[in-house]
Amino acid sequence: GAVVSQHPSRVICKSGTSVKIECRSLDFQATTMFWYRQFPKQSLMLMATSNEGSKATYEQGVEKDKFLINHASLTLSTLTVTSAHPEDSSFYICSARDPAGGYGYTFGSGTRLTVV
Amino acid sequence: TQLLEQSPQFLSIQEGENLTVYCNSSSVFSSLQWYRQEPGEGPVLLVTVVTGGEVKKLKRLTFQFGDARKDSSLHITAAQPGDTGLYLCAGARKAGNNRKLIWGLGTSLAVNP
Repeated sequence: GAVVSQHPSRVICKSGTSVKIECRSLDFQATTMFWYRQFPKQSLMLMATSNEGSKATYEQGVEKDKFLINHASLTLSTLTVTSAHPEDSSFYICSARDPAGGYGYTFGSGTRLTVV
Repeated sequence: TQLLEQSPQFLSIQEGENLTVYCNSSSVFSSLQWYRQEPGEGPVLLVTVVTGGEVKKLKRLTFQFGDARKDSSLHITAAQPGDTGLYLCAGARKAGNNRKLIWGLGTSLAVNP
């Protein structure tokens, strides 16, 4: 089945620094990838839709200058948290849908970001 | 406004009991998906229901899509500790050239031995 690889799984960074999270579709091409944020025992909150070769579409309330998304190829999307603050600490997850795999979406294993 | 109401939000039961999780909306979805998520991992797709009235079974799990494609339920028979996790429903709706997923708030299930 479709596999989405997300790295790193955990990262600790200092306030003010930037962190890049990678999301790769391993065995299919993804023109669209989705980035979510999740708080403990809560549902997923869509942050942005990443479109290959064009600008990402951000959800209302998500700062595009803070959460930079790049989708330069059909298998890779990156999310960069710039000038990170402790309130950015969260679980970030990416997902994509294999067009040949039906309606379901495949998720990465998530990235636990801790800003100290 | 929560477009997809999922209930209950928390559930703690004993091994062997049955349970049902509900997802309800006033809007129609082209499909509805159920996911299970374990701590520190991404959600894993359990099933997708597409047709109104559709029923799908996955071992002890039974999924149903409402006739009007606005609601869905997940029933677990004889729950086991391995069923513990966060269950999420997500309705798919067309958004331009993409499908946008509308997520329920999730049901955190704990099955005690």
